Amino acid sequence: AQSVTQLDSQVPVFEEAPVELRCNYSSSVSVYLFWYVQYPNQGLQLLLKYLSGSTLVKGINGFEAEFNKSQTSFHLRKPSVHISDTAEYFCAVSTLSSGSARQLTFGSGTQLTVLP
Amino acid sequence: NAGVTQTPKFQVLKTGQSMTLQCAQDMNHNSMYWYRQDPGMGLRLIYYSASEGTTDKGEVPNGYNVSRLNKREFSLRLESAAPSQTSVYFCACRAGTGQETQYFGPGTRLLVL
Repeated sequence: AQSVTQLDSQVPVFEEAPVELRCNYSSSVSVYLFWYVQYPNQGLQLLLKYLSGSTLVKGINGFEAEFNKSQTSFHLRKPSVHISDTAEYFCAVSTLSSGSARQLTFGSGTQLTVLP
Repeated sequence: NAGVTQTPKFQVLKTGQSMTLQCAQDMNHNSMYWYRQDPGMGLRLIYYSASEGTTDKGEVPNGYNVSRLNKREFSLRLESAAPSQTSVYFCACRAGTGQETQYFGPGTRLLVL
């Protein structure tokens, strides 16, 4: 079975500063990796995903993430955050062994708060 | 296109009452999922349907049942609600083989007293 650990439950950062949200996963088989964002009282929206190929993945709203297989990590970064980036961010993994179901396993989430 | 819709948006139940959460998607996707979201625990899979006509248990199925009514609709039923089922419930869908992204609905907020 796979698991996902998001190391920081809350990350406060000032506007225009860089941010990194950390995600580590555990799996005995190859994985697909995702970052989703949840704005207050809304559903989840896909930010970016890693399926194969280049380990640096670019997503929407200026976010990017790097897949590091040796460290089993998929950290999310943005060089300059805006107030509007305030939201909860979830890292998730599915494995190739999930068959046709492709169940997602989520981390516990990181609340990013951008301060003026 | 509405994507994934869920009804109701909010619901308050008393312990022991039953209800059905509805989910519909107009994306023509094969797979559908029900998750619950609790503070500090992320989202946990309750049930899923890999394709029309099939359903399977996820990580936390106890106290729930599901019905894949047709390709578009996937409902979640609580037969006898308990306070531990107070949560936010999300439905999601995925196109199918080779398409890895799940698309989420806006959620149903359920309070069981």
